[in-house]
Amino acid sequence: AQSVTQPDIHITVSEGASLELRCNYSYGATPYLFWYVQSPGQGLQLLLKYFSGDTLVQGIKGFEAEFKRSQSSFNLRKPSVHWSDAAEYFCAVGGGATNKLIFGTGTLLAVQP
Amino acid sequence: NAGVTQTPKFQVLKTGQSMTLQCAQDMNHEYMSWYRQDPGMGLRLIHYSVGAGITDQGEVPNGYNVSRSTTEDFPLRLLSAAPSQTSVYFCASSPPLPDTQYFGPGTRLTVL
Repeated sequence: AQSVTQPDIHITVSEGASLELRCNYSYGATPYLFWYVQSPGQGLQLLLKYFSGDTLVQGIKGFEAEFKRSQSSFNLRKPSVHWSDAAEYFCAVGGGATNKLIFGTGTLLAVQP
Repeated sequence: NAGVTQTPKFQVLKTGQSMTLQCAQDMNHEYMSWYRQDPGMGLRLIHYSVGAGITDQGEVPNGYNVSRSTTEDFPLRLLSAAPSQTSVYFCASSPPLPDTQYFGPGTRLTVL
């Protein structure tokens, strides 16, 4: 079955610290992977996506993610977190033969001053 | 471009009432979808459409109807609201998947 797992429901980091949010997927075909961010009371905004090519993907707001096929992972990273990064982050997977995206349950990020 | 717009922003219904959540996009996207977001469950796909006149069910379609008569509009209808449909509803549009989905601001629905 196709699925996305975000094992961390809630993460707290200090401002200026590094961040890694985990995402594992199960998908039968070549996966297309996405990270979205949702600020409180807002819709979702795309941070970055991976379709093919270089497995290290750069996104907006200084985020990056690395696709590791052997580990079925697509972890999101940021070297130095800002207070404005506090939000909920969703990983999603889709494929070329389907018209559906499957979302993880999200990771809520809190940033301490 | 307004992007994806949703109305209303907030709605309170009584059990058994019907209503339509509106969604419109001005990006000429073929693909549109409806999700519901519940705490701890992420986003779950309700229905989607790959073009005018074509719709299909997602993960949680029961209790919801959709139609797509134009490229721009994709309304979601609740025929007889139930408390289990209390949620935040998001509409999204995109070019044919897989591609970036653009989300509306959401409608917060409470069913009493």
